[in-house]
Amino acid sequence: DQQVKQNSPSLSVQEGRISILNCDYTNSMFDYFLWYKKYPAEGPTFLISISSIKDKNEDGRFTVFLNKSAKHLSLHIVPSQPGDSAVYFCAARDQAGTALIFGKGTTLSVSS
Amino acid sequence: DGGITQSPKYLFRKEGQNVTLSCEQNLNHDAMYWYRQDPGQGLRLIYYSQIVNDFQKGDIAEGYSVSREKKESFPLTVTSAQKNPTAFYLCASSEGLGYGYTFGSGTRLTVV
Repeated sequence: DQQVKQNSPSLSVQEGRISILNCDYTNSMFDYFLWYKKYPAEGPTFLISISSIKDKNEDGRFTVFLNKSAKHLSLHIVPSQPGDSAVYFCAARDQAGTALIFGKGTTLSVSS
Repeated sequence: DGGITQSPKYLFRKEGQNVTLSCEQNLNHDAMYWYRQDPGQGLRLIYYSQIVNDFQKGDIAEGYSVSREKKESFPLTVTSAQKNPTAFYLCASSEGLGYGYTFGSGTRLTVV
């Protein structure tokens, strides 16, 4: 049973517009959430994170929003750039301290 | 420069053979992990190790084995018992269990 779900396998956006990537989770014991970006044949790189005690975290063009009551988080990229085209993984950590649990990923394509 | 190194980048194995994937880090991280990536499946946890000489099974440990004799090294052996070993394998490390990971660049294993 998937604890971290990314229900959109792909997203296409025009350069300069906003990209919104969504992630849902089922485990209320998750206390920390992260987004990773991955290019083909490379390892994922850390993008941004948020603690469960916050509802928003911002870093440049990237903002993550957390809605605990809905068990939902989203990553906003504004403005989107062609170099943002990659697979984005949502990940979560359990309060009990375990390895990160990843979603299946969303492939973002930004066209110029 | 500190980092995490996986080798080789590409590996070919004949059916029925065991093969070992290397993962070395010089980040002084305590925790290390192995994930497998398949198309449409995201990152699935194979094994993880919180400290030297200790490791735990992840969600898909069957057909795999690991060792953690040194803090810097966490090799993964894909045994002949693994029914579908062709995949992209990612090693990661972190300061503590479940904290933000640093990933290696991955090893593409193909069974021929």
